[in-house]
Amino acid sequence: VQLVESGGGLVQPGRSLTLSCAGSGFTFHDYAMHWVRQAPGKGLEWVSGINWNGGNIGYADSVKGRFTISRDNARSSLYLQMNSLTAEDSALYYCAKDNEGRFLEWGGAMDVWGHGTTVTVS
Amino acid sequence: DIQMTQSPSSLSASVGDRVTITCRASQGITNSLAWYQQRPGKAPKLLLSAASRLESGVPSRFSGSGSGTDYTLTISSLQPEDFATYFCLQSYISPYTFGPGTKLEI
Repeated sequence: VQLVESGGGLVQPGRSLTLSCAGSGFTFHDYAMHWVRQAPGKGLEWVSGINWNGGNIGYADSVKGRFTISRDNARSSLYLQMNSLTAEDSALYYCAKDNEGRFLEWGGAMDVWGHGTTVTVS
Repeated sequence: DIQMTQSPSSLSASVGDRVTITCRASQGITNSLAWYQQRPGKAPKLLLSAASRLESGVPSRFSGSGSGTDYTLTISSLQPEDFATYFCLQSYISPYTFGPGTKLEI
């Protein structure tokens, strides 16, 4: 079971960036998925989560209206479109798999994590 | 949004010690509580979910308990590899929220 994030980099304030996460070793469409971020030297912040089919999506207040999570089950991929970026969005962004299954409503945790991709807004 | 507090924020202990870390939610979360261990430069590792369900491969010296708003992580006999930062997570309702973390130091 593996998750590999990509798409991070250096971006100017106000610009956009899209992160991708490729899943392998598990049946991707059987699980809800999440993005979690961690600013340097700081704690963990849940960013967004999505049901197996995109039918239920949640966002942290800090990113609501600016970030969009999506998934392509045919490609076993998860995405995070980030708009209107600010310095406060600079962090290591992790993709993570839900441990309970398809639905965010089941209240699962994240059991498999990628290594993360770094976003620097400056 | 549900706020998570965690105590202590840091803790010094010795190999063989028993330690307890507490998380408190601002409202009841019906056991939708997970504990993570994070070592420097590494991704978080899930230790327990549903408040007390030990993840596969996690040593039995880790245990979790609690209900309602108050939850605890106990490490029964600290091993050298346990010195890390520990976070709790509530997944009862979106937006999910993590506790601020407890740094466990030698």
